[in-house]
Amino acid sequence: GEDVEQSLFLSVREGDSSVINCTYTDSSSTYLYWYKQEPGAGLQLLTYIFSNMDMKQDQRLTVLLNKKDKHLSLRIADTQTGDSAIYFCAESYSGGYQKVTFGIGTKLQVIP
Amino acid sequence: DVKVTQSSRYLVKRTGEKVFLECVQDMDHENMFWYRQDPGLGLRLIYFSYDVKMKEKGDIPEGYSVSREKKERFSLILESASTNQTSMYLCASSPHTGRSYNEQFFGPGTRLTVL
Repeated sequence: GEDVEQSLFLSVREGDSSVINCTYTDSSSTYLYWYKQEPGAGLQLLTYIFSNMDMKQDQRLTVLLNKKDKHLSLRIADTQTGDSAIYFCAESYSGGYQKVTFGIGTKLQVIP
Repeated sequence: DVKVTQSSRYLVKRTGEKVFLECVQDMDHENMFWYRQDPGLGLRLIYFSYDVKMKEKGDIPEGYSVSREKKERFSLILESASTNQTSMYLCASSPHTGRSYNEQFFGPGTRLTVL
């Protein structure tokens, strides 16, 4: 079955880069996602990557996908205090009812 | 601006009460989902619906039921609330996208406490 794993906590200093890692088990995953949850709010899609891509860059965000190792990472450059949030890795496959499987979430703490 | 709203931000109920959590989306989405979020366990899917009057069990449906009488509204029902159902409940919706990526849009959550 599907399983998405990620570490629980990451602490970085403001201005440094953050790297949040995730592993997944479902080889039929078509899309992989990073969602962000700010305190007291629901989740919001941050970025996604199609499984035939290795990398995707969007301003301060870089997503790297190693399909062989089923490893996904999110790098945030020049981390700001506003980046403090919980980051969820997620996967889905095309077809079906587009059920998305989420990881447990990594809490990013940015120290001023 | 797309919107998913949930009827309450905070709710306190007693053990054995019947509890209704309501979710409404204004994006004409076909798919709607109910999750619960617990520390260290992340999001777990309770039920989802891909059309009016249709429902599918998620990973943890026990103790819950759902209702989708209208496309925009998806209700989660706790028939007899128990203390282990104290949690944050998140509703989400998404369109049918065929073979494209699937973005889910989330409501702000309802924090339910069962005493």
